[in-house]
Amino acid sequence: SQTIHQWPATLVQPVGSPLSLECTVEGTSNPNLYWYRQAAGRGLQLLFYSVGIGQISSEVPQNLSASRPQDRQFILSSKKLLLSDSGFYLCAWSVQCFSGNTIYFGEGSWLTVV
Amino acid sequence: GNSVTQMEGPVTLSEEAFLTINCTYTATGYPSLFWYVQYPGEGLQLLLKATKADDKGSNKGFEATYRKETTSFHLEKGSVQVSDSAVYFCALANAGGTSYGKLTFGQGTILTVHP
Repeated sequence: SQTIHQWPATLVQPVGSPLSLECTVEGTSNPNLYWYRQAAGRGLQLLFYSVGIGQISSEVPQNLSASRPQDRQFILSSKKLLLSDSGFYLCAWSVQCFSGNTIYFGEGSWLTVV
Repeated sequence: GNSVTQMEGPVTLSEEAFLTINCTYTATGYPSLFWYVQYPGEGLQLLLKATKADDKGSNKGFEATYRKETTSFHLEKGSVQVSDSAVYFCALANAGGTSYGKLTFGQGTILTVHP
């Protein structure tokens, strides 16, 4: 069966520090991969998605970047964090093609920028 | 562009009460519709989905029917339990093109069920 893991689960970072959140998917090949953010008191917003290695699409302009160095690895990064980057970050995957396919989410990572 | 609007919460019910959480959407073409649930401190889990008009998704006593004529996907449960306390998100995914699989979420509805 397929599983998705992301880490770290919780982190507190000072303003201006770098960020790296990692996500891996097991049990499937060539998945679509996604990073979502859930800001406090707000809904989920799609940040990035990827349909293949090295292929990244950004949905909103921001202080963050994403990379996909391997088929089942998706990394969310920042060179210098802002206070507004605080939130709950969720990695997700889905099978390629067909919009009716379910998107499966990881456990999430709580980021607090202080 | 796509958008999803959910009824504002929080919703507070007594155990065994009837639940409705309204969801309406705006999208081009024929989107797929989803309900996700987020229990306290956890990530999102798929609750149910419907991929075409008049489909009914159901799971764990929850139901939602894809109504194209009213662009709605309201979530219902006949008798809620304390364990149903969570945040519920309505979402849609567009069909085709570069929008494959990407979800547009509503703002979420907090449900609290008291014994």
